Amino acid sequence: AQSVSQHNHHVILSEAASLELGCNYSYGGTVNLFWYVQYPGQHLQLLLKYFSGDPLVKGIKGFEAEFIKSKFSFNLRKPSVQWSDTAEYFCAVTPYSGAGSYQLTFGKGTKLSVIP
Amino acid sequence: NAGVMQNPRHLVRRRGQEARLRCSPMKGHSHVYWYRQLPEEGLKFMVYLQKENIIDESGMPKERFSAEFPKEGPSILRIQQVVRGDSAAYFCASSPGTEHSGTDTQYFGPGTRLTVL
Repeated sequence: AQSVSQHNHHVILSEAASLELGCNYSYGGTVNLFWYVQYPGQHLQLLLKYFSGDPLVKGIKGFEAEFIKSKFSFNLRKPSVQWSDTAEYFCAVTPYSGAGSYQLTFGKGTKLSVIP
Repeated sequence: NAGVMQNPRHLVRRRGQEARLRCSPMKGHSHVYWYRQLPEEGLKFMVYLQKENIIDESGMPKERFSAEFPKEGPSILRIQQVVRGDSAAYFCASSPGTEHSGTDTQYFGPGTRLTVL
């Protein structure tokens, strides 16, 4: 079974600081990778996803993530955060295909607080 | 274009009562998934349904929990005889089912927060 580890429970940044949130997964085969965001009081929204191809994936709101297969990592980055990026961020993985490929396995989430 | 709808958003039950959580998928979506988030934990898969069929319920507790997705109407997650440990956020997601399951993006609802007193 796959698992996802998000290293930081809570990150506090000032506006305009750069962001990198770590995500490592454990799975023996090919995977699909996702970052979801949950703004206060709102539902989970898909930020970006990686299925195949270019390992550098660009998502909405200026976010990007890089899949490094050798490190089993899919870190989320943003060059300059804004107060409106305050939210909880979840990394998730599924097997690429076959049995259970619809079962998203989530990390515990990282709370990001951006100080104006 | 309405997203995934869940109701109620908050539900309070006493131990031993029943909880019914509803999920209406996005328009055009025929696949529904339920996830549970316990405090300080990530979301965990519970069940995957298509219209009138349970495809995979491997993440559901064996007792007291059931799910359905009838031909008409929302998907229902039912918890009988609730206990304090059932207190959690329950999220529903839907997908169109037009791609192979690994790349069929799931869109989430706002969740139902169940509190058992």
